[in-house]
Order: sequence, then C-alpha cells, then structure tokens
Amino acid sequence: SQQGEEDPQALSIQEGENATMNCSYKTSINNLQWYRQNSGRGLVHLILIRSNEREKHSGRLRVTLDTSKKSSSLLITASRAADTASYFCATETSGTYKYIFGTGTRLKVLA
Amino acid sequence: GAVVSQHPSWVICKSGTSVKIECRSLDFQATTMFWYRQFPKQSLMLMATSNEGSKATYEQGVEKDKFLINHASLTLSTLTVTSAHPEDSSFYICSGGAGGKDEQYFGPGTRLTVT
Repeated sequence: SQQGEEDPQALSIQEGENATMNCSYKTSINNLQWYRQNSGRGLVHLILIRSNEREKHSGRLRVTLDTSKKSSSLLITASRAADTASYFCATETSGTYKYIFGTGTRLKVLA
Repeated sequence: GAVVSQHPSWVICKSGTSVKIECRSLDFQATTMFWYRQFPKQSLMLMATSNEGSKATYEQGVEKDKFLINHASLTLSTLTVTSAHPEDSSFYICSGGAGGKDEQYFGPGTRLTVT
C-alpha cells in the first residue's frame, strides 16, 4: 500500500498539554499537508509544507518536514478540548495533485 | 478559502439500486477533482482522479464499472455507485484543485448507507 503511516494511532492528553503526531511516507514528495477531521465530518486543511521547507507555523500548530527520513510531525501546543479530532497527513507525489493520506491519529483532549 | 459542496450529504438506498453523488466547486474552476472513500475509523482512500472532459483514472482495485465518474464541467463532478451493496456503505469525499495550486479543497462528504 502506498498509504503513509501515522503514529500514534490514538493519543489522549489533558487540556493545556502539547500533542505531537508523526507521519511517515514512502515516496518522494512535492509537498505534504495536514488535515483535521471531526467525527463524521469533512476535512479541514491545517497546513501545507513544501519539500524544500523544514518547518512551518500557524497559530498553535507547528509542522516539521524531514525529507531525508521521509517523515513529518505536527505539534499542537496548549491543546484545547476543541482540538479533539482525527488528524491526517497527506502527501502529493510527482506533481500529480494526487494526495495519499496517512492512517491518521485520533486525538482526544480531556478538559 | 475555496468552497466545495457535495450533494446529498447523506443517502440511504436499497441494495441493487444506483446512487449519484454530486461534487461542485462553488467559487473556483476545478480542472481536476478527486474522489475518496472512508470507512469508519479509517483513513481516506483515493478512488479516482477526475479530469474535466476526459475519462477518470481509477486507483488499483477500484471497479470503474461500479463507480462511474463524470466530470462534465469545470465545476461539477459526479460519482455514481451502480448496483450498490451493503459493503459500499461508506463516507465519500471529493476534493478539487484550482489548477496549478497545491491546496486541495475538500467537500463535506456524503454518507452512503446501503440496506
């Protein structure tokens, strides 16, 4: 399967703590995106990071990319109960605009 | 950001019938649209790539005769699940790209239940 792997599969933390989830992929990529999905809902785009970038920030989110290791991480700082959702990475290969999604991390933030 | 809509948002149909799902880009032209399927507590699996005015490209293992895709205009792609069976019950999500840009804009999804 071309699908990327994410770990952990599930993560439960207290409100205010930081949450880190990792994504590994198999092919060379043009860019990598992170998405959030609330239960039974559609996807919300969080951050796009290009293959020539190493780190990007957006509010409480920080994404890193290590193309040599074919991996990325998403850090959510000072988590809130509203951050409870599933988080997916998606990679685009070869300029096809076709994205392959990772297996996802289910995050639960306890109030 | 750009908006993609899907219709219907949920549908229940009987086994053996066909169901059509529409995906529309509301404020941009999507030369390429993608269809994904998501089973409960699983990730999204790409089913096919839909290009305006040409035949769709299906991923390995996806039956093109069962999942008919039409991309008749730059703002509309449709997915028809033919002769649906209970195992086709899933969450179907489409996305569109605004030509040359990296970000994909996702629709809200359609939940299909086949009884």
